[in-house]
Amino acid sequence: DGGITQSPKYLFRKEGQNVTLSCEQNLNHDAMYWYRQDPGQGLRLIYYSQIVNDFQKGDIAEGYSVSREKKESFPLTVTSAQKNPTAFYLCASSTDTRQGADNEQFFGPGTRLTVL
Amino acid sequence: SQKIEQNSEALNIQEGKTATLTCNYTNYSPAYLQWYRQDPGRGPVFLLLIRENEKEKRKERLKVTFDTTLKQSLFHITASQPADSATYLCALSRGNAGNMLTFGGGTRLMVKP
Repeated sequence: DGGITQSPKYLFRKEGQNVTLSCEQNLNHDAMYWYRQDPGQGLRLIYYSQIVNDFQKGDIAEGYSVSREKKESFPLTVTSAQKNPTAFYLCASSTDTRQGADNEQFFGPGTRLTVL
Repeated sequence: SQKIEQNSEALNIQEGKTATLTCNYTNYSPAYLQWYRQDPGRGPVFLLLIRENEKEKRKERLKVTFDTTLKQSLFHITASQPADSATYLCALSRGNAGNMLTFGGGTRLMVKP
C-alpha cells in the first residue's frame, strides 16, 4: 500500500518536554509538509521540504524543528519553546516541486498532541 | 495580508438536495484552487482542482466554479447523501515553487436522511 503514515495517533506530553512526531511516505514524493490544525481553523503551515537535506520555515515555525535526512521521512519536533502545542498535526506530501506545479497534497492520518 | 474565508457555520441540508459551499479570498491571485474533504480525526483528502483560466470543473456529483473577478469559488454536491457529511476545505496556491497551499478554515456539511 502506498501512502503516508504518522505515529503515534495520540501523544501526551508534559509541559517543558520536547516530543517528536513521525511522518513516513512511500509515494516517492519530493515535497513534504507539516501543518497544524486547531478547532475551527484551517491548516497552518509549520515547515516544508522540497528536497532531501533541505527545508524551509512555514508560517508558524517558532517552537518547532524538522529534519529531512531521507526522502521518505520528515519528522517534526515540538520543542518546549512552543507556547501552545496542543493541536492536531498533519503531515503531507506532493510529487512536484516545480514552479507552478498544481498536484494535490496527500495527507497522513494525523497526530493529536495534548500537553498536560 | 492574504485571507481565505469559508462559512464557519455548519451547513445542514436534506438528502437529495444540492449542497453549495463558498470560498472567498482577498489579497490573492491564485493560479489554482483545490478542494479537500476531511472527516473527523482524519487527514484531508483531495477532491478537485480548478485553475484560474477555468470557469468550472466537474467530477461525478461534484462541481467547482472559480470566479477570479469575484475572488470566489463555489463547491457543489448534487444529489447529496448522508455519506457526504464531512468538513470541506478550500486551498489556494501560493504562487511560489511547488505545490504550496494556503487553506481555509473549512465548512462542515451535514446531510440528513
